[in-house]
Amino acid sequence: QKEVEQNSGPLSVPEGAIASLNCTYSDRGSQSFFWYRQYSGKSPELIMSIYSNGDKEDGRFTAQLNKASQYVSLLIRDSQPSDSATYLCAVNRGSGGYNKLIFGAGTRLAVHP
Amino acid sequence: DTEVTQTPKHLVMGMTNKKSLKCEQHMGHRAMYWYKQKAKKPPELMFVYSYEKLSINESVPSRFSPECPNSSLLNLHLHALQPEDSALYLCASSHRDDVEAYGYTFGSGTRLTVV
Repeated sequence: QKEVEQNSGPLSVPEGAIASLNCTYSDRGSQSFFWYRQYSGKSPELIMSIYSNGDKEDGRFTAQLNKASQYVSLLIRDSQPSDSATYLCAVNRGSGGYNKLIFGAGTRLAVHP
Repeated sequence: DTEVTQTPKHLVMGMTNKKSLKCEQHMGHRAMYWYKQKAKKPPELMFVYSYEKLSINESVPSRFSPECPNSSLLNLHLHALQPEDSALYLCASSHRDDVEAYGYTFGSGTRLTVV
């Protein structure tokens, strides 16, 4: 079992729709979780972080965390073509003096006009 | 300054060459990281430095040699690489105590091609 699992996609949604991206993780002791967006040929860019159960909203983005189910999701409202990218879920496995992000394989999102 | 700067952006090297990748940040972050990313794959952790000391080496071959000269700089020395080492090399930094709030800040990466 991979530490962080995501559907590779592509997830295709029409412009203006809600895109729902999902991620599961295997280590029940994981405490913090991140969503990164990566455009083709570019480096990952942090979209959201979450470490408490429930929802966290930032503009058009909502991250949801359910530690009991070991499940993290990202909702993108009013999807735009510029949101088309690969979305990476990451789990922090670090402790003590460092942090260690383990990434899922990513979900490719395509928003079509 | 909220950036991590990586140089060069592109590098082509032969299998007998020696080259270095450089990474610099001025955000006061005390943890710095090297990741390797192959096409259509997630970033894979290579090395972690915390307070200029190597904290993690993810069983990386010795042809990759990291160095952290000071709290702002991180180098990756390359020697006798193989074509399969061609990838995007990403540097990142984090404020160790605030990673939960801010995650990593990634540099723009070095696209390495080994010929």
